[in-house]
Amino acid sequence: DAKTTQPNSMESNEEEPVHLPCNHSTISGTDYIHWYRQLPSQGPEYVIHGLTSNVNNRMASLAIAEDRKSSTLILHRATLRDAAVYYCILLSPDTGNQFYFGTGTSLTVIP
Amino acid sequence: DGGITQSPKYLFRKEGQNVTLSCEQNLNHDAMYWYRQDPGQGLRLIYYSQIVNDFQKGDIAEGYSVSREKKESFPLTVTSAQKNPTAFYLCASSIMEGFNEQFFGPGTRLTVL
Repeated sequence: DAKTTQPNSMESNEEEPVHLPCNHSTISGTDYIHWYRQLPSQGPEYVIHGLTSNVNNRMASLAIAEDRKSSTLILHRATLRDAAVYYCILLSPDTGNQFYFGTGTSLTVIP
Repeated sequence: DGGITQSPKYLFRKEGQNVTLSCEQNLNHDAMYWYRQDPGQGLRLIYYSQIVNDFQKGDIAEGYSVSREKKESFPLTVTSAQKNPTAFYLCASSIMEGFNEQFFGPGTRLTVL
């Protein structure tokens, strides 16, 4: 498996920014970093992905460290609907470009 | 609306019975996937298919079988050989196999009594 390490859980106050960290110290040069999130009893949904440069979309931003051994998903203003499990996934040609979901980070948003 | 449908949402079966879970997509995607999720765990890949009439085993294929006779459909059969079949099953699709975004269905929760 392409390994990632995330905290089991995090809390954030509503309307504040959230920084969700992910360590991937064994990342190789061709591995993409993907983030998905899963609400309770639903399928995961795509959030964002990147390779080397920081990325922004309507949902979030992805900040990738210069050595690519870690990344941070940034939710600029947490809402109650952002409460979910967030998965950081490495997509690697070495493992057939398959998605390997770890246990993720469970984000609680406090009103 | 385009998307992935899975049916049924909840399924109960007696131990020893085979059961087939449905997955249909109208996104015109080539690749389709089946994952299993146990409580408090991440998803694990069961089978995937890149094109019609072709599929490959994932990490936990034992006790499962699939078919891909049509581009839109990728049913999963949980056989009696699967030792612990009670789980949440998720189907996904992507434009092609690899780096592309995967779109997930709502899932089927299977309980074997």
